[in-house]
Amino acid sequence: SAVISQKPSRDICQRGTSLTIQCQVDSQVTMMFWYRQQPGQSLTLIATANQGSEATYESGFVIDKFPISRPNLTFSTLTVSNMSPEDSSIYLCSVLSGDEGAFFGQGTRLTVV
Amino acid sequence: GQQLNQSPQSMFIQEGEDVSMNCTSSSIFNTWLWYKQDPGEGPVLLIALYKAGELTSNGRLTAQFGITRKDSFLNISASIPSDVGIYFCAGPQDSNYQLIWGAGTKLIIKP
Repeated sequence: SAVISQKPSRDICQRGTSLTIQCQVDSQVTMMFWYRQQPGQSLTLIATANQGSEATYESGFVIDKFPISRPNLTFSTLTVSNMSPEDSSIYLCSVLSGDEGAFFGQGTRLTVV
Repeated sequence: GQQLNQSPQSMFIQEGEDVSMNCTSSSIFNTWLWYKQDPGEGPVLLIALYKAGELTSNGRLTAQFGITRKDSFLNISASIPSDVGIYFCAGPQDSNYQLIWGAGTKLIIKP
C-alpha cells in the first residue's frame, strides 16, 4: 500500500487567482494521477504526472489551466490557474500500487468565490 | 471506449439491512475494484477482484467478479451508520493503467 499526504485539505479562493495543491507519497512511484471530482459526481482523470517528462493530459484539460510538476518520484503538484467558480471541486492525487489498485490522498476541496 | 454502469445511484436503507449494488460493462474487465468515499476524503479501496467468478469478503462486505468479466456486485450485510458514503466500482482500461470509474452509489441510512 501507499500513504499519500495531500495539502491543502480545503481552500476558498478568489476568482482569477491560482492554487497549487501538493501531493507527497511515502514511497517512490513511477506514475501519479490527478483527478477532479465535481459535486455529486464520479472521478474524472485530469492528467498523469510522470517524473522527468511532461504530464499527459486527458481530453478537456490543458497544461495552461492545470500545470503539473513532478520533480521526483515521491512528489507532485497540481496548479489550478486563473480560477473561476466552475473550478470548485475536490481534487485528488492518486498512485497505483502493483495489483492493489489505486490509492488516494484525502483530497483538496476547492471553493472559488 | 470502455464504460462502467453502476446502480443504483443512491440507496436509502434502515440500519441492519443488507445492501447490494452492482456494476456492468459492455466490455471485459480483467480487474474490478470497489472503493468507498467518505465525505471530505479520498476513495479508499475496499475489495479488489482479479479472477472471473472470484468471490471475496472483507468483514461485512462481499464482492464478486462476474463469470463473464463484464459485471461485479458488492454486498454489505447488516448495515451500520458508518457504512454511509459513496461506493465506486472501477477497473483498469485494456490499453493502459488508467482506471475507469462507475458513477457511484450513495448509501444513506435512515435513522
